[in-house]
Amino acid sequence: KAGVTQTPRYLIKTRGQQVTLSCSPISGHRSVSWYQQTPGQGLQFLFEYFSETQRNKGNFPGRFSGRQFSNSRSEMNVSTLELGDSALYLCASSLASLGGETQYFGPGTRLLVL
Amino acid sequence: AQTVTQSQPEMSVQEAETVTLSCTYDTSESDYYLFWYKQPPSRQMILVIRQEAYKQQNATENRFSVNFQKAAKSFSLKISDSQLGDAAMYFCAYSSGAAGNKLTFGGGTRVLVKP
Repeated sequence: KAGVTQTPRYLIKTRGQQVTLSCSPISGHRSVSWYQQTPGQGLQFLFEYFSETQRNKGNFPGRFSGRQFSNSRSEMNVSTLELGDSALYLCASSLASLGGETQYFGPGTRLLVL
Repeated sequence: AQTVTQSQPEMSVQEAETVTLSCTYDTSESDYYLFWYKQPPSRQMILVIRQEAYKQQNATENRFSVNFQKAAKSFSLKISDSQLGDAAMYFCAYSSGAAGNKLTFGGGTRVLVKP
């Protein structure tokens, strides 16, 4: 089975712009979670989607949003980019959303905001 | 809110030796799961081991094993017969059994393996 894929792998944007990141889960997986990784804050949970519905949300401003499509692919969007949004964004998929599911991570999208 | 603490920013081990990484967590829940993830320089997170809180038996996966002390809320990872490929960041993570797939991560421990 193919693993979790994320596109693009690298992205450079300027402050005030918006960005959309994409994540394709492992075939058959219906849950997709997003995480932000920065040197200062570490790994932080953004949100989880399951069956096209947001299941969980982390403590991030409303500029961060996401969605999931019927084929389980997910996108996250960040509007009005700030310098502090520079980070590695990781997507993870799992079969279900039952708690304690093993999550399989993608290679990440590295976003640089100038 | 649950918190996960890894008190060792960096650990060094000689090839073929054993190293133990510490992790403590704080929760009031009884249904939860604990994980160790490895993040090599490629940045791809790889699951090392998973432990269900309701299981007393410590999880093992080849050269990796955990010491799960539920009362002490401690979840350490032991890497035996260390190999050069074990060099990476290791993250301890917590997942509630009732809150979907949200993972709460510790700050990470960098493992260096000396040949």
